[in-house]
Amino acid sequence: AQKVTQAQTEISVVEKEDVTLDCVYETRDTTYYLFWYKQPPSGELVFLIRRNSFDEQNEISGRYSWNFQKSTSSFNFTITASQVVDSAVYFCALSERRRGSTNAGKSTFGDGTTLTVKP
Amino acid sequence: DAGVIQSPRHEVTEMGQEVTLRCKPISGHNSLFWYRQTMMRGLELLIYFNNNVPIDDSGMPEDRFSAKMPNASFSTLKIQPSEPRDSAVYFCASSLSGLENDQPQHFGDGTRLSIL
Repeated sequence: AQKVTQAQTEISVVEKEDVTLDCVYETRDTTYYLFWYKQPPSGELVFLIRRNSFDEQNEISGRYSWNFQKSTSSFNFTITASQVVDSAVYFCALSERRRGSTNAGKSTFGDGTTLTVKP
Repeated sequence: DAGVIQSPRHEVTEMGQEVTLRCKPISGHNSLFWYRQTMMRGLELLIYFNNNVPIDDSGMPEDRFSAKMPNASFSTLKIQPSEPRDSAVYFCASSLSGLENDQPQHFGDGTRLSIL
């Protein structure tokens, strides 16, 4: 069975601090996909990034970076020089290799981490 | 391109009334998901469809909840009769499910439901 754990329920930082959001996953599949979503205070969930299980290269997009480590089953998200606009709930999600219609498009979401960035 | 469209954005109704939430997925997407989000329970998957067919409804809380997808461009989630504990934000999401499950889900803006 697949599982995603985001152990940090809430994190509070001061603007310009760096912050890392942890995501640990469990799966028996060798092929799987990991996602991060952002839910700002306005409420909508927005897709941020996807990684597949056979590509362990870290990715950087502006102030955002993602560290994927299969050895520790982790897919952590770091925000450098955080800003107030980064305040949101961040969800990590996992989808396994497709098995017909039984899991078509389905992802397992973590419980989310609420990040508050104070000015 | 239009995203996932949900209606209404807000719904306030009295206990016992029927509530119908609507969703139009992104054109071409073949998987559709209904989620419920509350402070207590977080984000819960209620039901999902693939090619208009319900695949897993194990997350539906009870028989008061039902969902349909009569065609590829429309789905409804109905609660009858509604109860105060159904108050939550309900999200619809869609994705393009191909040979692999590598596509993200695209979420609507949600329906904020309040049952008085």
